[in-house]
Amino acid sequence: AQTVTQSQPEMSVQEAETVTLSCTYDTSESDYYLFWYKQPPSRQMILVIRQEAYKQQNATENRFSVNFQKAAKSFSLKISDSQLGDAAMYFCAYRSGLGATNKLIFGTGTLLAVQP
Amino acid sequence: EPEVTQTPSHQVTQMGQEVILRCVPISNHLYFYWYRQILGQKVEFLVSFYNNEISEKSEIFDDQFSVERPDGSNFTLKIRSTKLEDSAMYFCASSEGTMGQPQHFGDGTRLSIL
Repeated sequence: AQTVTQSQPEMSVQEAETVTLSCTYDTSESDYYLFWYKQPPSRQMILVIRQEAYKQQNATENRFSVNFQKAAKSFSLKISDSQLGDAAMYFCAYRSGLGATNKLIFGTGTLLAVQP
Repeated sequence: EPEVTQTPSHQVTQMGQEVILRCVPISNHLYFYWYRQILGQKVEFLVSFYNNEISEKSEIFDDQFSVERPDGSNFTLKIRSTKLEDSAMYFCASSEGTMGQPQHFGDGTRLSIL
């Protein structure tokens, strides 16, 4: 069974600085998708970024980028130029690409605080 | 931007009572999901729904749970006889498809069982 591990329960970053959130996963599959979701205090989980395992190029969305290391099964999220609005719980999630299942498997989350 | 909406935001129910949680998925989405998050724990998959039937369910989704799409817009999760351990945040999600299309989540319903 696939598992997702986020080893940092809490992180803190100064406004305008860069922070990296860690995520590792375990799978025997070769085709899968990885996601980072953000959950602000307002509770709605918002998709931040998505990575397809067959793509070697790291995904980027504005200030958010990932470091996808397939061999190491690592999928870290880098937030550049951190803003106060980035403060939230961040969840890493895995989805199989085999088509038999669409469920997301989540990590336990990292609570990010942004200091002014 | 279209959103998944859930009602109510908070539901308080006596143990043993039935509860229905409601969701309106994004209108052109075909796949629907329920997840739950017990306080302090991971978000866990409950069930997925496509073409008016359950396509997958987890071990958590036992006989006390059911889902329904009663009309063209709503997607509901019913818990027949609530237990204390059903207290959690319940999230509805929807997606256009399954080939990497992301799931979009609602705000969640906090269910408190007394």
